[in-house]
Amino acid sequence: GESVGLHLPTLSVQEGDNSIINCAYSNSASDYFIWYKQESGKGPQFIIDIRSNMDKRQGQRVTVLLNKTVKHLSLQIAATQPGDSAVYFCAETTGNQFYFGTGTSLTVIP
Amino acid sequence: GAVVSQHPSWVICKSGTSVKIECRSLDFQATTMFWYRQFPKQSLMLMATSNEGSKATYEQGVEKDKFLINHASLTLSTLTVTSAHPEDSSFYICSARGLGEGNSPLHFGNGTRLTVT
Repeated sequence: GESVGLHLPTLSVQEGDNSIINCAYSNSASDYFIWYKQESGKGPQFIIDIRSNMDKRQGQRVTVLLNKTVKHLSLQIAATQPGDSAVYFCAETTGNQFYFGTGTSLTVIP
Repeated sequence: GAVVSQHPSWVICKSGTSVKIECRSLDFQATTMFWYRQFPKQSLMLMATSNEGSKATYEQGVEKDKFLINHASLTLSTLTVTSAHPEDSSFYICSARGLGEGNSPLHFGNGTRLTVT
């Protein structure tokens, strides 16, 4: 299902620190998960994805962790930069529909 | 590759009029398109899923007669907001998935800001 009507939680980090953004998903049947970054007035931009047969996946400066037992997903951003300031959403899918989590607004303090 | 273009990027219309938003896949064939609505500081809410050549599947609570979706070709889907009212003012975003992509990231357009006065 979707998070409807909930306002975005916020996270502020110092430039150069690591950021951890969390997401709780709702459907235990979801088998594919994606993290998106959304800048103001734009559509979501793909960051990294993970399939349900994995529990960790790394990209450039980003790592996604999946805990299916508690239906939890996290995005770790290493050495956070001002350009990382945006809203981050996780999305879950069983293949037919994609549902987005509440999202987190990340602000990087120079 | 995998570019989705949405038009217009913003539109202002008067209450009671209808507005059409276009979503085009520029370099791939979009067999499935998804329409989302986003209010300020909130998440994306899935409105409907459309497959080329068939009727759209609407999410619970979304009025299909108010939000008309047409996906007549593999590169174009349209969302028409009929008899728009101020409460329809929102950010509408489309996304698309190509043939055979299965579980792969959706490609998103840059959204349309609709303001109904």
